[in-house]
Amino acid sequence: DADVTQTPRNRITKTGKRIMLECSQTKGHDRMYWYRQDPGLGLRLIYYSFDVKDINKGEISDGYSVSRQAQAKFSLSLESAIPNQTALYFCASGEGSTDTQYFGPGTRLTVL
Amino acid sequence: QKEVEQDPGPLSVPEGAIVSLNCTYSNSAFQYFMWYRQYSRKGPELLMYTYSSGNKEDGRFTAQVDKSSKYISLFIRDSQPSDSATYLCAMKDDYKLSFGAGTTVTVRA
Repeated sequence: DADVTQTPRNRITKTGKRIMLECSQTKGHDRMYWYRQDPGLGLRLIYYSFDVKDINKGEISDGYSVSRQAQAKFSLSLESAIPNQTALYFCASGEGSTDTQYFGPGTRLTVL
Repeated sequence: QKEVEQDPGPLSVPEGAIVSLNCTYSNSAFQYFMWYRQYSRKGPELLMYTYSSGNKEDGRFTAQVDKSSKYISLFIRDSQPSDSATYLCAMKDDYKLSFGAGTTVTVRA
């Protein structure tokens, strides 16, 4: 079984809709992350959490919110989706001083 | 200016060739340097990480860090078609991991 899972894997939605992407990890890591990946821009950090009570904004948090429901679960919400949020979204969990991160398989989100 | 610059390629090489990938960076606070490999429609997976300047080998892969020049490299020897993927460099300071845009590599059989 995969260590970091994401649901859904693909989602098509319309402008203005609320969307939630979910992430679970079985690695027992305290740290969890949400990234988006766009062609030519690489991975950009949206939000990160070092433990259940610690949530931090990344470089592109506008238009997004997160919830850390448990050590193993970290969800990303788009309150009112817009077309430029069309991207590949990755969740990751991390450990140690090097912050080695383990990524999920990604969610491909299309906002029409 | 981005903190981490990486040529997106694409790079196409024949099987058996040496693949050379590199990144430059501007943030002197970066302490850890990593390379991730991402196959199509998959999440990135950690390939190698280094802490200090110098070389680190793992099988056919060699990671090189030159902190004085703010330059890191990844070399893949005897490349195989299974090495075809996007390779992302990543660097960490005290707070976060910063990624390059990724270089897409195709190894032709």
